[in-house]
Amino acid sequence: KNEVEQSPQNLTAQEGEFITINCSYSVGISALHWLQQHPGGGIVSLFMLSSGKKKHGRLIATINIQEKHSSLHITASHPRDSAVYICAVRYSGGSNYKLTFGKGTLLTVNP
Amino acid sequence: DTGVSQDPRHKITKRGQNVTFRCDPISEHNRLYWYRQTLGQGPEFLTYFQNEAQLEKSRLLSDRFSAERPKGSFSTLEIQRTEQGDSAMYLCASSPAGQGYSYEQYFGPGTRLTVT
Repeated sequence: KNEVEQSPQNLTAQEGEFITINCSYSVGISALHWLQQHPGGGIVSLFMLSSGKKKHGRLIATINIQEKHSSLHITASHPRDSAVYICAVRYSGGSNYKLTFGKGTLLTVNP
Repeated sequence: DTGVSQDPRHKITKRGQNVTFRCDPISEHNRLYWYRQTLGQGPEFLTYFQNEAQLEKSRLLSDRFSAERPKGSFSTLEIQRTEQGDSAMYLCASSPAGQGYSYEQYFGPGTRLTVT
C-alpha cells in the first residue's frame, strides 16, 4: 500500500523556535507537496519539489529522494504559523496527477 | 480570477437526503479533482477530470456518489441517500494542463457536510 507518514502528529512550540516536520513515503514519486491548512478547511500550497531544497521566507523544504524523506522547516516561528501542515505526494507511473496525503501535523506556536 | 470556489461552504442535511456541491476551478485550468477529508485525517482522492472527461474514480466513491463536469468548466458532486459516514469536508482542486509532475494543485475552501 502506498503510504505517506508524517511526524510528529502534534507539535507545540514557543514563538521564535525552529520547527521541523518530517514526511516519509514508501515508493517512487514524481513530486512532493507541502501544504498548509488553517481552521475552516482552506488548503494553501507551500512548496512543490522533486529534488533538493526550496526556500520561501521563513519556510524551507528539503527532499532526499534516495531515502524517500522530506522535511519542512520553519525558522523563527510565529503564532500565525499555527496550522495543520500536510505532506502529499504524486506517485510515479500511471496515476501521477492525483495526490496522496499524510494525516497532517498540527502545529501550535505560543507567544 | 480569484481562485477555486466551492458552494455551499457548509451543508447540514438529514440522513437519506440528496446533496449537491459545486466547484468552480480557476478559469484556465483544465484538470479538476475532488477529495474528501474526515476529521483528523488527510484528504483522500475521490475523482479526477480532464476537461469534461472523468478519467479516474476512487473506490471510495460508492454508487451513491456521482460527479460531473459537463462543459469542462465547473463541476458538481452529488451524494444520494446520504449516510452519517458521508460527513466530511469535500475539497475541490484544479491545475493547469502540463507535464504530469510539473504542476501544482490549487484548492478551494471546501464544503463541510454534516449528516444528522
